[in-house]
Amino acid sequence: GESVGLHLPTLSVQEGDNSIINCAYSNSASDYFIWYKQESGKGPQFIIDIRSNMDKRQGQRVTVLLNKTVKHLSLQIAATQPGDSAVYFCADSYNFNKFYFGSGTKLNVKP
Amino acid sequence: SAVISQKPSRDICQRGTSLTIQCQVDSQVTMMFWYRQQPGQSLTLIATANQGSEATYESGFVIDKFPISRPNLTFSTLTVSNMSPEDSSIYLCSVGGVPDEKLFFGSGTQLSVL
Repeated sequence: GESVGLHLPTLSVQEGDNSIINCAYSNSASDYFIWYKQESGKGPQFIIDIRSNMDKRQGQRVTVLLNKTVKHLSLQIAATQPGDSAVYFCADSYNFNKFYFGSGTKLNVKP
Repeated sequence: SAVISQKPSRDICQRGTSLTIQCQVDSQVTMMFWYRQQPGQSLTLIATANQGSEATYESGFVIDKFPISRPNLTFSTLTVSNMSPEDSSIYLCSVGGVPDEKLFFGSGTQLSVL
């Protein structure tokens, strides 16, 4: 049968600029969230996580913001580099039971 | 983080055959999951692999098509049965509870069905 692939939304940024990638989740009971980076031909790579009792968490060059009111998650990447080019996914979980993934965003960093 | 080994990394199979994918972790883990990622799409949870009992399947996935084993806390297999071209996807093993309940992924199995 024919397989139809969806086109991921793409965010194009200039090297050195900051990137903001957004994600919406549907389960209001979700209490744990993870951002992943997936490069071509590889499995998703853990970037940063946040629990629902927080609204912001910072890592190395990355910040995750959580807005539980509107069920929205964002990933901010500071000083974006060509090596950041990849597809980014958010995932949410309730009580660390199962993880469901968002649709993904392709980040394209222009040198 | 745990080291996750998934085999095979890729395979090309004929319609109607079955393929078993293995996932081996270098430490005992609480949770093991199997995901499917169709071309250009996000990850879809197939099932939770439960140690010593039947897997818990998500809506749209059934045991007859995707039998799963988990004999211990470090190993699981996913079989894709009676394959058709629509099964062409990347299949990913993931583990959690190591040690602080993060979820990590293997490198995946690229399956092409002719």
